[in-house]
Amino acid sequence: AQTVTQSQPEMSVQEAETVTLSCTYDTSESDYYLFWYKQPPSRQMILVIRQEAYKQQNATENRFSVNFQKAAKSFSLKISDSQLGDAAMYFCAYRSTNTGNQFYFGTGTSLTVIP
Amino acid sequence: DTAVSQTPKYLVTQMGNDKSIKCEQNLGHDTMYWYKQDSKKFLKIMFSYNNKELIINETVPNRFSPKSPDKAHLNLHINSLELGDSAVYFCASSRGGWGGEAFFGQGTRLTVV
Repeated sequence: AQTVTQSQPEMSVQEAETVTLSCTYDTSESDYYLFWYKQPPSRQMILVIRQEAYKQQNATENRFSVNFQKAAKSFSLKISDSQLGDAAMYFCAYRSTNTGNQFYFGTGTSLTVIP
Repeated sequence: DTAVSQTPKYLVTQMGNDKSIKCEQNLGHDTMYWYKQDSKKFLKIMFSYNNKELIINETVPNRFSPKSPDKAHLNLHINSLELGDSAVYFCASSRGGWGGEAFFGQGTRLTVV
């Protein structure tokens, strides 16, 4: 089974600064999708960004961007100009093309934004 | 218009009771899931259905029984509730095949006392 590892249980960033959250994954598949989800205290899971493995170009959504290194199986999330509303739990997720197309989630990184 | 809705949002019940959580999606997705999020926030797949057919059944006690009456609904019934069942349960849906993201319901916080 695929595994997703987030090695930073907690991170903090000053408001308006930039922070990078790490994610690595283990897979033998060549095609797959990767995602970052945000879970604020409201507990709603919100999609932040997605990346198709066959695309070389890193995905970007406004202040959020990823650094996707397929060979290294690394998928980090960069948040620029951090805002108080960015404070949340962030989950990295991998979607398999096999095993029922299920999503595998990392253990999450709790991000604190310091005013 | 809510894409994936779960009811109830909160559920407090005594040990030994039987309870159900309902989930409905209006996105036209073929695949639906149940995830359990424990106190450490870890998300673990429980079940996955594709077009009403069970395709993933992780190692979950058989007190947990999913039921999909149609592809827009996936309910979770739990028998003989135990203290360790306390968690947040998320329903999610996605397009069939692969590639699409998962859309989540708002979660059901189950507390067994």
